[in-house]
This record gives sequence, C-alpha cells and structure tokens, in this order.
Amino acid sequence: QKEVEQNSGPLSVPEGAIASLNCTYSDRVSQSFFWYRQYSGKSPELIMSIYSNGDKEDGRFTAQLNKASQYVSLLIRDSQPSDSATYLCAVATATGTASKLTFGTGTRLQVTL
Amino acid sequence: GAVVSQHPSRVICKSGTSVKIECRSLDFQATTMFWYRQFPKKSLMLMATSNEGSKATYEQGVEKDKFLINHASLTLSTLTVTSAHPEDSSFYICSARDLGPRLHFGNGTRLTVT
Repeated sequence: QKEVEQNSGPLSVPEGAIASLNCTYSDRVSQSFFWYRQYSGKSPELIMSIYSNGDKEDGRFTAQLNKASQYVSLLIRDSQPSDSATYLCAVATATGTASKLTFGTGTRLQVTL
Repeated sequence: GAVVSQHPSRVICKSGTSVKIECRSLDFQATTMFWYRQFPKKSLMLMATSNEGSKATYEQGVEKDKFLINHASLTLSTLTVTSAHPEDSSFYICSARDLGPRLHFGNGTRLTVT
C-alpha cells in the first residue's frame, strides 16, 4: 500500500522564523513530489514541485528531496501569518499524464505574531 | 490560465436524493480528471480517475454504482452521488491535468446530507 506520512501538527512558529515541514513516503518508485497549501474549506493550491534529489528554491520556499531516504521536506523562510494553513505532501509514482497523486494527511502550520 | 471550475460550491440535500457535481476545465482540454473526497481534518482520498470518452477507473473501496462519473467531453466531468446518505457528507474536489504533470484543482463542493 502506497503511503505518504506527515506529522499532523500543529507546527507553531513565530513570525519571521523558518518553518520546516517533513514528509516520508513508502513507494520507492515514486518520481514526482509536490507540496500543496490548503486553507480551511478551500481546495489545495500548488506551492512547489520537485523531481530530483537536492534542493529547489522558489522565493521563500525551498523543497528538499532525498530519494534514498524517501524523504521530502518544505522550508518556509520568513514565515508570515498568511502562511498559516495545512500543507499537504503529495507523491506520484509516474510522470506525465498517467500519474495520480497520493496525499499525506497534512501538517497544520500556525505562524504566530 | 489552467482554471478548473467546480459547481456547486455547497449543496445540502435530503437523504435518498441524488446530487450532481460538475467540474469544468475552462481554458484547456483535460483528457483526465480526478475526483477526490476529503473528510474533516483528513487528507484527500482519490475516488476515481475520469477519462474522456471512456469509463472511469475507481479506487478500491469506492462504489461505482453510488458515485457515477461521466466525462463526456474534454472540458467536463460530472460526479453524481446517488441515493445520498449522511455518511456521504464530505468535501468533494475535482482536479484536471493539462499537458504537464501539474494538477489544477477546482474549488471543491461541500456536500451535506441531512
């Protein structure tokens, strides 16, 4: 059974700090990895995607992938109250249109003033 | 670009009735659409993969006769919850993929069955 695991939180960080969100996955053939942000009652929105080992940076967000450890993380620098949301890790086992995503249960992030 | 419109956003129905949810890709053609269900404080669970012009592929444990999916065109997929019961109350979300691997989500439908 394919699993994606996240700590449900809440993860509380002060404004301006770095928030670190972690995700592990069980299917070794997973190829595509995504981080989504979901506000309460809303649909997920894509924050980052990463396909190869290492770091990928986009603004205040950095995704890190380690396929050997089956681990993917998301760092949010200079956290803002508007970053308070649930962050979903999603994993796909194939690339292109044939793939479907398996989501983790999400980590709730709270950025405090 | 790549907008997915889902309608209705909220629906309340009585037990035993059927509810249809529409998912439209507004500015791209989607040969594949996905339907998810999300219970409170839980993750998105894939219900089925909707393929244009063919039968949907349902995930294990999802009743295809209860959750009818139709993908009649490249821009429209519908999910019909038949004979809805209170345990079907949930947040239903569709998503569509354009030419790349990225999924575009609709805004979701909050279904409440009384």
